[in-house]
Amino acid sequence: DAGVIQSPRHEVTEMGQEVTLRCKPISGHDYLFWYRQTMMRGLELLIYFNNNVPIDDSGMPEDRFSAKMPNASFSTLKIQPSEPRDSAVYFCASSFWAGANEQFFGPGTRLTVL
Amino acid sequence: SQQGEEDPQALSIQEGENATMNCSYKTSINNLQWYRQNSGRGLVHLILIRSNEREKHSGRLRVTLDTSKKSSSLLITASRAADTASYFCATGSQETSGSRLTFGEGTQLTVNP
Repeated sequence: DAGVIQSPRHEVTEMGQEVTLRCKPISGHDYLFWYRQTMMRGLELLIYFNNNVPIDDSGMPEDRFSAKMPNASFSTLKIQPSEPRDSAVYFCASSFWAGANEQFFGPGTRLTVL
Repeated sequence: SQQGEEDPQALSIQEGENATMNCSYKTSINNLQWYRQNSGRGLVHLILIRSNEREKHSGRLRVTLDTSKKSSSLLITASRAADTASYFCATGSQETSGSRLTFGEGTQLTVNP
């Protein structure tokens, strides 16, 4: 398996623009997580899905952020409109739940909002 | 908020020495995990210890868990330059049966050749 795939790897955009980040989890994993990492706040969980259903979105910072998982092999995280403070590395991770289990992280998307 | 707090924030040692990192947490957990992150990369899972376990080994890694003190430690023996990375503890809450992880702020380990 290729692991968790994220695209794009780098994104530079201007304030006010819409940004869409994409994630393909590992086949067979039924949990998908979106994290944001910054120097100031560390690694924060934004939202996670189980079997394509959002379970906990309490970490989503504002209504400007939305996430979808239309099927088991694809998820998006959208920011509209983007702001400079959204600049961060966004990670997607997936796991197979058998009790508690390890999460497999993608390489991340480095987002810069000018 | 970050439940896990790692200590120290930064650690610099010589190759061959042992490295010990500590993690404290506040709420009841289902499991505790340690991850490594190399600069500019995603996190990689190292080891998981469940709340009913006290110690676990994996290669050069040794993890202990003391639920009465709400703390864990990660020991890397005979360190190598390639071990240079940030190390994070992550706690899985009992409320979510361990599936939702809360990460600490990490320890930056530098192993000098």
